[in-house]
Parts: sequence; structure tokens; C-alpha cells
Amino acid sequence: DQQVKQNSPSLSVQEGRISILNCDYTNSMFDYFLWYKKYPAEGPTFLISISSIKDKNEDGRFTVFLNKSAKHLSLHIVPSQPGDSAVYFCAARNNAGNMLTFGGGTRLMVKP
Amino acid sequence: KAGVTQTPRYLIKTRGQQVTLSCSPISGHRSVSWYQQTPGQGLQFLFEYFSETQRNKGNFPGRFSGRQFSNSRSEMNVSTLELGDSALYLCASRIQGEGYNEQFFGPGTRLTVL
Repeated sequence: DQQVKQNSPSLSVQEGRISILNCDYTNSMFDYFLWYKKYPAEGPTFLISISSIKDKNEDGRFTVFLNKSAKHLSLHIVPSQPGDSAVYFCAARNNAGNMLTFGGGTRLMVKP
Repeated sequence: KAGVTQTPRYLIKTRGQQVTLSCSPISGHRSVSWYQQTPGQGLQFLFEYFSETQRNKGNFPGRFSGRQFSNSRSEMNVSTLELGDSALYLCASRIQGEGYNEQFFGPGTRLTVL
């Protein structure tokens, strides 16, 4: 039973346009959400996070939106750059513990 | 400051063998978590160690085990390897066990079981 799902395995976007990566979750006990970026042959690196008490968090070109009623979060990258091409994982933390539950990942390709 | 290091980076084993993977956390980090990454499954949590004690455990069979040493270095062991154990094994470290703080991942160990 996947508690965190990324339904799009891949996404292709033109450079300069907006990239929107989506993530759905089922566990209402999740209280903190994170996005990680992963390049080949490297471990995931933290990108941006959001607490369940907020609905938006912004950091430069990256914005994460949280819709608690829909149990949905999204990552917006504006403008997209070729260097953003990577696999993006969303992750959620259960407020009963500190382990993270990850989605399956979305491979983003930004074309020059 | 050096990042999380994992050894070896690549490993090939045959079914039935056992394997031990090593992780050295960032200096000062006391919590180490292990994850398995397989295509389509994302990262699945294996276990977390803090101060040499296992704090959390994911839904994996008993063939998967781990330990943490007094210097916070951690090892995970997989016994009686199966083909399905082929995966990228990632370890992540963070400063402390209580409360949430960012995890820093190592580059992973790519295990192939033939």
C-alpha cells in the first residue's frame, strides 16, 4: 500500500516554462512534506519542504503547494532550466515518528 | 565538511550469499537511516539508528539487519540474497534523533544479485 504516490513517472518541459510535479498521499498523520532531487550516481538532495500547517512555501524558483483536504502537494519550478533535469521525489513524515515515506519519483527533463 | 560516504559503491553477489554495506555519516551526525531504491518503488525505508540503537524499522524481512557503532558509523547486512534484493541502497544521516531535521544522503551502494 503506497502511502505517497507520484503518478507521473516522467515529465518533459521546455526551458523557461513552468514545471509542475505532483504528489498524492493517503495518510492523514503526515505532518511534514519534502521534495528531494536526485541526479544519477548521486544520493537525493533536499530541495524544499512544507509543514502541514502551511499551504505554500517558496524558495527562489521553487514553490511547494499543499492542499490538505485533497491530500495533494505539488512542486512548481519557474522558470525551468536544463540543470533541473533530474528525478524528483516527494516524501512525507509521520508525526508519530521520524521516518520518511517516499513516492516513486518523477523524472523531469528540461529541454533547451 | 565531508558528506555521507558509503562503501562499496558497487557490488555483485550471487543468490544465497550475504552482503555487508557500510555508511559513514557526516561528522557530528548521530542518526543514520537506510533506504532501498528500486525502479518504480521509490525509496523504501529500511531502518534508522541513533546512538547505536535501532529507533525505527520499515517493512522488510529479517534478512535485512543493521547496526551502528559508537562513532555513529553504520552497517547493514542482507543475508541469503535474493534476485529481488538488487537495488540501490542509500544511507542518510542527520544531526539528532528527536525532532525533525534534514537528512543528508550518501551516493548509495548499487547491489546486483545474480
